[in-house]
Amino acid sequence: AQSVAQPEDQVNVAEGNPLTVKCTYSVSGNPYLFWYVQYPNRGLQFLLKYITGDNLVKGSYGFEAEFNKSQTSFHLKKPSALVSDSALYFCAVRDRDNYGQNFVFGPGTRLSVLP
Amino acid sequence: EAGVVQSPRYKIIEKKQPVAFWCNPISGHNTLYWYLQNLGQGPELLIRYENEEAVDDSQLPKDRFSAERLKGVDSTLKIQPAELGDSAVYLCASSKGLAGAGTTDTQYFGPGTRLTVL
Repeated sequence: AQSVAQPEDQVNVAEGNPLTVKCTYSVSGNPYLFWYVQYPNRGLQFLLKYITGDNLVKGSYGFEAEFNKSQTSFHLKKPSALVSDSALYFCAVRDRDNYGQNFVFGPGTRLSVLP
Repeated sequence: EAGVVQSPRYKIIEKKQPVAFWCNPISGHNTLYWYLQNLGQGPELLIRYENEEAVDDSQLPKDRFSAERLKGVDSTLKIQPAELGDSAVYLCASSKGLAGAGTTDTQYFGPGTRLTVL
């Protein structure tokens, strides 16, 4: 069975400071990992994904994420937060070795960037 | 390129009434997903279509929910009759490849339909 945990319901950070939104996952095989962002009354927007290869993945709006197989983590990071980054962030996983397996989304982390 | 289109954006109905949601995926996308998102939670899959075939509807409450994807393009999700607990956001997403073939393609989401059942 697949699962995703986002251990923090809420992350607060000052504008200009680095931010980290945590994600850990569980799959029986190897993972595909995704990060999405959701603004109020909007659908989910794709930020970045890890398929294979380089463990550091760069995505939209200056975000990046690091895949750590030993810790089964895929934390989202940004060197300098903007107020406009305030939103709900979702991590998702799919088992790469189980064709047809659906995506599983985490419960979300609300990021608040304070001016 | 146009994104995933959903309508209506908002719907308010009384319990026991029927309701339908419509989704038009990104052109050329073969896989279509319907998700349920409760407030403050992540999306949960209801049904996945690959072309016109519903390949995974294990999470769809079939006593009251139904869906169709005629001609493998647009899709409609219906609830009849609606219950108070159905109040949520219903998201549609699409991806180009087929999940059953192991695609790594990204899912793209529509804006969702916010359903309120009174």
